[in-house]
Amino acid sequence: QKEVEQDPGPLSVPEGAIVSLNCTYSNSAFQYFMWYRQYSRKGPELLMYTYSSGNKEDGRFTAQVDKSSKYISLFIRDSQPSDSATYLCAMSAEGGAQKLVFGQGTRLTINP
Amino acid sequence: NAGVTQTPKFQVLKTGQSMTLQCAQDMNHEYMSWYRQDPGMGLRLIHYSVGAGITDQGEVPNGYNVSRSTTEDFPLRLLSAAPSQTSVYFCASSYYTGQGVGEQFFGPGTRLTVL
Repeated sequence: QKEVEQDPGPLSVPEGAIVSLNCTYSNSAFQYFMWYRQYSRKGPELLMYTYSSGNKEDGRFTAQVDKSSKYISLFIRDSQPSDSATYLCAMSAEGGAQKLVFGQGTRLTINP
Repeated sequence: NAGVTQTPKFQVLKTGQSMTLQCAQDMNHEYMSWYRQDPGMGLRLIHYSVGAGITDQGEVPNGYNVSRSTTEDFPLRLLSAAPSQTSVYFCASSYYTGQGVGEQFFGPGTRLTVL
């Protein structure tokens, strides 16, 4: 069993919809949680970085961490075609964002 | 700033050949790492370095060597290429914060095919 599980999709939604992306994990030592966005044939770029349970908001993006359930989510409000990309969750056990363990990635398409 | 640069962008090797994937960063970051990305697998850590002269293994280190002689450069060497090493390789760098390693900045990737 993988340490981090992420539904690979693909996920296709209409413009303006609220998108929910999720990851579950098995390693209770994970303390740092990240969401990356990766456009086709590009490197991942960081969207959100949290290290505690609860919600963190940045513009249209909200990251949610539930350590008791070993479950993290990323919500995208008012989704735009430019949000079409692969979204990767990543997490680490110690020392911040080092030795990251990634989920498989979810391919998201926002239809105009 | 150029950020994290990787060369080459594409490479085709024959089984048994060796090569070096180059990675450089101009942000004076102490932490650097190499990942490989395969379909359906996400990114997996190959090797990482916490500073010049210090390297360590990640999740999938077999078949790869690294060294870190300067802060800027972190090359990845394939000793004897195998078809299983066909993948997209990403280099990343980061700085240290009070919480440890901060945001990792990724390069554009090298697409490697081993025949």
